Amino acid sequence: NAGVTQTPKFRVLKTGQSMTLLCAQDMNHEYMYWYRQDPGMGLRLIHYSVGEGTTAKGEVPDGYNVSRLKKQNFLLGLESAAPSQTSVYFCATTLRGRTGELFFGEGSRLTVL
Amino acid sequence: GNSVTQMEGPVTLSEEAFLTINCTYTATGYPSLFWYVQYPGEGLQLLLKATKADDKGSNKGFEATYRKETTSFHLEKGSVQVSDSAVYFCALSPIYSSASKIIFGSGTRLSIRP
Repeated sequence: NAGVTQTPKFRVLKTGQSMTLLCAQDMNHEYMYWYRQDPGMGLRLIHYSVGEGTTAKGEVPDGYNVSRLKKQNFLLGLESAAPSQTSVYFCATTLRGRTGELFFGEGSRLTVL
Repeated sequence: GNSVTQMEGPVTLSEEAFLTINCTYTATGYPSLFWYVQYPGEGLQLLLKATKADDKGSNKGFEATYRKETTSFHLEKGSVQVSDSAVYFCALSPIYSSASKIIFGSGTRLSIRP
């Protein structure tokens, strides 16, 4: 019973490198989200998706891109990483109509040098 | 606009002490309210919820009552344990919200001494 799985869990990048974080869910949820968590700032929404093939910007979308080609997967990409993107990234999912009841992955810690 | 304000942490208590973590909100209408908990090294987990005024959410000995008159949703537990050490987030989902409108507080770190 995996729930929400994020890969990789840890990654160190150099400035300017690119990478992709993968979120996979087996709960058949329609909505998926990417958040970043920084000390003292709580959770900030980067991008979200309400269904396969659709994505939308959240509060802090700059420097990130996303894709949802399959219902169960939501990818977060950094095309040219910057030190300001050092953070812990969380994927979350929920059912349509149950917006506040999120299921989170364990997080991916990204360090950009 | 909608917002959530939590008490500043960290909060440090001794085992078996009484816990209150304050949360107040600003929202139009009747939002749904939530408490999430984040244990070290893990993602957030839904702890409890309340969807209308005067509802009481409860789970694992924690309780919170939706108080519309004071726009509050304070988290309480009568006797805390070391295993309750975590970061607690208050959140709201506005009525008729779109997918992006979940709002989290900044979190309160709780440490329990044996």
